[in-house]
Amino acid sequence: RKEVEQDPGPFNVPEGATVAFNCTYSNSASQSFFWYRQDCRKEPKLLMSVYSSGNEDGRFTAQLNRASQYISLLIRDSKLSDSATYLCVVNGDPGGGADGLTFGKGTHLIIQP
Amino acid sequence: NAGVTQTPKFQVLKTGQSMTLQCAQDMNHEYMSWYRQDPGMGLRLIHYSVGAGITDQGEVPNGYNVSRSTTEDFPLRLLSAAPSQTSVYFCASSSGARGTQYFGPGTRLLVL
Repeated sequence: RKEVEQDPGPFNVPEGATVAFNCTYSNSASQSFFWYRQDCRKEPKLLMSVYSSGNEDGRFTAQLNRASQYISLLIRDSKLSDSATYLCVVNGDPGGGADGLTFGKGTHLIIQP
Repeated sequence: NAGVTQTPKFQVLKTGQSMTLQCAQDMNHEYMSWYRQDPGMGLRLIHYSVGAGITDQGEVPNGYNVSRSTTEDFPLRLLSAAPSQTSVYFCASSSGARGTQYFGPGTRLLVL
């Protein structure tokens, strides 16, 4: 049973706009949270970790809400190159393998010129 | 530093054939994993290893075997290929819990 849920999209967003998407997780004991990015026909790559206090990396902001058990990703001033699938990743799932990671199915983002 | 490498990039098999997907990493990571990715299904864990000589099953292990004789290598064996195993296979490694997981470029497998 998948324990990380994401809206699959696609989110069609004009270039320059701000876009946000959420991810919910069911395991309240989860300790580590990440956003990965996957380009078409490529491997997933770490975009950013998500810290309890929230964190920012350039145009990207990640937030964690432990009470409601969700994490969010905000992209400001979106670029065409931001078009990709964004995977929410949470650890703490006993079935999550070596490092206990469980991947969401991803949210597909399309930035339109 | 090549990171995580996978071979082959593409493979076509006939039903019933066997093959081994190779995965190697040069980052001295203890943790390695195999995933398959299918449209609409996301990444699903097949097998994983927390160190040389130690392997365990993930979410979808049937039809696959793994071994971990060295820290660097983690091959995935398809015992008797079936069309349901048509997928993209990713190998990944990490330094441990909470570490960044690094993925290989993937192997695209078609079973006819």
